[in-house]
Parts: sequence; C-alpha cells; structure tokens
Amino acid sequence: EVQLVDSGGGLVQPGGSLRLSCSASGFNFRVYAMHWVRQAPGKGLEYVSGISSHGGSTFYADSVKGRFTISRDNSKNTLYLQMSSLRAEDTALYYCVKDRVSWLGYYMDVWGKGTAVIVSS
Amino acid sequence: EIVLTQSPGTLSLSPGDRATLSCRASQSVRSNYLAWYQQKPGQAPRLLIYDASSRATGIPDRFSGSGSGTDFTLTISRLEPEDFAVYYCQQYGSSPLFGGGTKVEIK
Repeated sequence: EVQLVDSGGGLVQPGGSLRLSCSASGFNFRVYAMHWVRQAPGKGLEYVSGISSHGGSTFYADSVKGRFTISRDNSKNTLYLQMSSLRAEDTALYYCVKDRVSWLGYYMDVWGKGTAVIVSS
Repeated sequence: EIVLTQSPGTLSLSPGDRATLSCRASQSVRSNYLAWYQQKPGQAPRLLIYDASSRATGIPDRFSGSGSGTDFTLTISRLEPEDFAVYYCQQYGSSPLFGGGTKVEIK
C-alpha cells in the first residue's frame, strides 16, 4: 500500500524554525517528484513547494521563498521541509504529496494525512 | 500568474441530484493540465480527475471532468451521500495553483 506519513509539526514561536519530515512506503520513492501543500484552519489548499525525483529541481511558492527549503533523502525514502523565520500566517496543516512523475509539473496523486504547524507566541 | 476561480462557493443539493462545479482560469491552462480533488472533513484531499477529463484509479464513473483552455467543469451525475464534500481544482501546466474550492452540501 502506498503510504505517506507526515511528522515534525508542532508549536513554534514567530521567527522560529521547524523541520517537517515525510516517510514514504509502498512505492519506489526515488523515481517520483514530491510536494508540500498546506491548509490553514478553515481555509483552502495552498501549494508550498516541490522537488524532482533526484532533487535537482525545486520550486517554491512566493509566500515561502527564501524561508523554506525542501529536500529529500532517497536512501531513506524521506522528504523534508525546513521552515525558518516562521510567521503566524504559516500556521496550517502541512501535507506531503506524491507526484505522478519524476519531474515537477504534473499532477499529485497520493496525499499524507498532514502534520500541524502552529506559529504563536 | 494564473488565477483559478471556482464557482459557486457552495452548492446545496440533494442525494440523486446532478452537481456541476466550475473552475475558470485567468489564462489558458497549458495542455489542459487541470486536476480535481475531493476533500471530506478531517481528511486529506483525494485525486478525482487529472488532465481535465481522466478519472483517477478507483474513482466512480459518476464523476466526470470536461473543459479546455480556461473553462473546466467537474460533474457528479448523481450525488451519493458520500459525495458531499469540498472540491478543489488545481492547474499544473505552470506554477502549481489551487482554486478556492466549492463546497457541496446537503440541501
């Protein structure tokens, strides 16, 4: 069974940092691009960041560019999102999402259950 | 940058009704790279449709997608109780972007 398990969320103060992880299983992780999508409480979906299968290409939404870094360790079947300079508006449920192909720019077909990030003093 | 506008914001229908959801893009979506996702309360989104009209694996044939260019539609031919949820469109022809969502609620 294809599975994505998001973790690493929690309560952090404004200006702080947090690293999210996503452990993948049930598919060949190293051949698929991966993404992070977030959802603020009671709001819609917002695309955050994506990374190609080998990590050579990345993409960031303008709202997180320069503050967040996406990475992956294909030997560990794990996706990461390093978040720094966190703001209240980064409060959201963060989903790890699998792409259908190896490169960025196609649709997302499998979603994790999400990990909650709360930025508050 | 493309903007996706979904309408209506809320659709109030009864089981057995036909649901028609709209997703309009501010610019043409390259190669009709548009997907639809369903999200139920407390759950992660689920892929329904990709490439504007292709059903994802395991999705019932009462769900269908159509459209091209800037105008896309998700149709649910006969609403089942489990179909009441929020639906999002997403374009992936350029910078990935989601629409604001349409909530399909029980009338």
